Amino acid sequence: QVQLQESGPGLVKPSETLSLTCDVSSSSINYGYYWGWFRQPPGKALEYIGSIHHSGSTYYSPSLQSRARISVDTSKNQFSLNLNSVTAADTAVYYCARLAAGSGSYCPYWGLGTLVTVS
Amino acid sequence: EIVLAQSPGTLSLSPGERATLSCRASESVTNRYLAWYQHKPGQAPRLLIYGASSRATGIPDRFSGSGSGTDFTLTISRLEPEDFAVYYCQQYGGSPLTFGGGTKVEIK
Repeated sequence: QVQLQESGPGLVKPSETLSLTCDVSSSSINYGYYWGWFRQPPGKALEYIGSIHHSGSTYYSPSLQSRARISVDTSKNQFSLNLNSVTAADTAVYYCARLAAGSGSYCPYWGLGTLVTVS
Repeated sequence: EIVLAQSPGTLSLSPGERATLSCRASESVTNRYLAWYQHKPGQAPRLLIYGASSRATGIPDRFSGSGSGTDFTLTISRLEPEDFAVYYCQQYGGSPLTFGGGTKVEIK
């Protein structure tokens, strides 16, 4: 059973960079799947941020493409999200997940999520 | 991007009753690439259905999905106490991936 766990600061100041890491266990990040970041602002729908392959190939949502960067560290079996120039609108629970197949797919495995507040 | 509208927003039912949740897409979803998730507070989203009607591993057969094109349905045949949660649909036929706003199934 693949396990994912998000970590990072719970509070970020406006205009700064939000940085989160997702640790993957019980599976190698090199297995060829895409690994993704999602978020859910309070009272709103889940939103796709982007995804990455262990090779470094990335895809981003057009709405966040200019501010988001996803990277992978295969030696640590983890991947990360950096979101710059944050505002209060970026306050959300952030989830990491493994996609089932390819860069555009459903997600069989999710982390528990971590709340990030921009204030 | 494909916009998904879920209805109703809240469904108030009793254990043992049948739940019917709707997900309507703003355009046709390619190859029925639609998934359903169950989400409870403080827990990870749980994949229930993919490909509009295929149950994920370990999902009880009281959960079923149907539909094609722009209209999809998740049916829970007989609600168990652990089924009261929020349910989301997600399409992966178009880019970017998008989710519906969710239906909360609450105890009546």
